[in-house]
Formats: sequence, C-alpha cells, structure tokens
Amino acid sequence: ELKVEQNPLFLSMQEGKNYTIYCNYSTTSDRLYWYRQDPGKSLESLFVLLSNGAVKQEGRLMASLDTKARLSTLHITAAVHDLSATYFCAVEYSGGGADGLTFGKGTHLIIQP
Amino acid sequence: AAGVIQSPRHLIKEKRETATLKCYPIPRHDTVYWYQQGPGQDPQFLISFYEKMQSDKGSIPDRFSAQQFSDYHSELNMSSLELGDSALYFCASSSELDSNTEAFFGQGTRLTVV
Repeated sequence: ELKVEQNPLFLSMQEGKNYTIYCNYSTTSDRLYWYRQDPGKSLESLFVLLSNGAVKQEGRLMASLDTKARLSTLHITAAVHDLSATYFCAVEYSGGGADGLTFGKGTHLIIQP
Repeated sequence: AAGVIQSPRHLIKEKRETATLKCYPIPRHDTVYWYQQGPGQDPQFLISFYEKMQSDKGSIPDRFSAQQFSDYHSELNMSSLELGDSALYFCASSSELDSNTEAFFGQGTRLTVV
C-alpha cells in the first residue's frame, strides 16, 4: 500500500521568510504532484515531477524530487500573504494504467504580515 | 481552455436518500477519476475509468457506484446516504494516450447530508 507522509501539517510563518515542506512516500512512483487548495475550492496543480533530480520553479515556489530517497520538497522563498493555503503532495503509483493519486495529509500554511 | 465540469456544484440530501453527481471531462480526455474530500481531510481516491471501463478502485463504499458513458462523461451514484458522506467530491480527467499529461480537477460538488 502506497503511503504518503507530509510534514509539517501546520505552518505559520511571517512574510519574507523561507520554509520547506517535505513529502515522503513509501513505494516506487511514476509521478509526484504538488497542489494548492484554498478553503472550499478545487485543487490547483502547481508542479508535476517525473524523474529523479527534477526541479521546477514558479515564482516563489520551488519543488524538487529525489526518487532514491522517495522524498519531494516544496520550498517557499520570501513568503507573501497570498501564498496562504493548504498544500498537498500526491503520488501516482507506478502500477500502470489510470491509477488514482494518493495524497498526503496536507500542509496548512498561514503567512502573517 | 475547457476545464472539467462538475454538476451540481452544491447538493443537499437527507439521510437514506440517493444522489447522482456528474462529471464532464476535458475534451479528448479518456480517463476520469473520482475523489472524496471530507472536511479538513486529504482527498481520497474512489474510482477511475478509462475508455468507459473501470480502471482502478480505491476506497469507494459499496453503496456508491459509478460509470463512464460513451461520450466520456461520468456519473457517481450514491445510495442510502449517511451523514458521513458529506464531503467535497472531485472529478479529474486525463488522457492516457498522452503520457505527459496530468489529471486536471473540476471545481467539485459539495454534498451535504442532513
């Protein structure tokens, strides 16, 4: 059974600071996703990481993937209030076919002015 | 660009009633996924369909069933509703023919069982 562990689950930080969210998963995976979700809203895709060493950046967010360690990180640089949301990592099992994603518990991020 | 369309957006049902949620995938997407997200929880995979056939099954209760139709839209049928079924239900679609594509999520249906 694929397990995805995310930490921290809750993070309160000040604007301008840097921080990293971690995502560990238990078995070989095809892909790893990072999503953002605002309260009551849908899941907004941030990054799709396909291979070992993959690094993607969009604005103040940067995601990386280490398939050997089964670890992905989402790094936030110089946080701003607009980044307050819940961030989920999700892993696609490499069993082939249209498999569903297994999500982490999410990181509830609050960025204070 | 066209996105995944879910209907209805909100639904209120009483216990023991039935509900049907609909999902219209992005054009030319052949795969549909259903997820359930309880309050404060992470999304849980329920079931997926590829080319109108069930592809993968997750934590879908026996009271729920789903299918994908010839036009690729999908319906999630929920019977004997319980209070614990109150959740956001997301549909996502993707194309298995394009290995680089990811699954895109709809806006969700918020089901409240009273």
